[in-house]
Amino acid sequence: DAKTTQPPSMDCAEGRAANLPCNHSTISGNEYVYWYRQIHSQGPQYIIHGLKNNETNEMASLIITEDRKSSTLILPHATLRDTAVYYCIVRPYNFNKFYFGSGTKLNVKP
Amino acid sequence: GAVVSQHPSWVICKSGTSVKIECRSLDFQATTMFWYRQFPKQSLMLMATSNEGSKATYEQGVEKDKFLINHASLTLSTLTVTSAHPEDSSFYICSAMDSEAFFGQGTRLTVV
Repeated sequence: DAKTTQPPSMDCAEGRAANLPCNHSTISGNEYVYWYRQIHSQGPQYIIHGLKNNETNEMASLIITEDRKSSTLILPHATLRDTAVYYCIVRPYNFNKFYFGSGTKLNVKP
Repeated sequence: GAVVSQHPSWVICKSGTSVKIECRSLDFQATTMFWYRQFPKQSLMLMATSNEGSKATYEQGVEKDKFLINHASLTLSTLTVTSAHPEDSSFYICSAMDSEAFFGQGTRLTVV
């Protein structure tokens, strides 16, 4: 069962930061927060993951609240190619299965 | 990152026939792979876990005799949709674990 709640859709202007929220109020201490995205008719693409510290890579930043009950994925300068469905998933690090929720459809507009 | 490849990317088959979809990990070995199904405008649904050298484990509600999974090597898992019907038309996606989970590009199955 998906253990996350995300808004169904969001709009973002090209070049601006996209901030995608995720609620995971029942997260356990050994569960990580993962973000994947799925561009239309493709397989999901890994973006980033974290446990409790904020994380940054070449694609995005992940901000996790101190109580770990929510997080935000930040795309610092959204482009049209970032239009996709973004999935927030929580799972233990050593548990390989992913259960996807409904995700957020991000529409980046010119 | 690691590469997972599916073949074919799309397939059309007649109702009642069987179709096989391959999932390969190209640059790493995967003792475990996963199969998902995605209907239009819906999220991915985990169907089964493919285990190298042993039987697959299926999620609740997934018919194991209809969706046959074989994981004969550390780089290849196959999903066979047997006696396909139009309601089996869907987007099938596999994944394999390396440092993280990597997904194939998906296979669009259309049963006519």
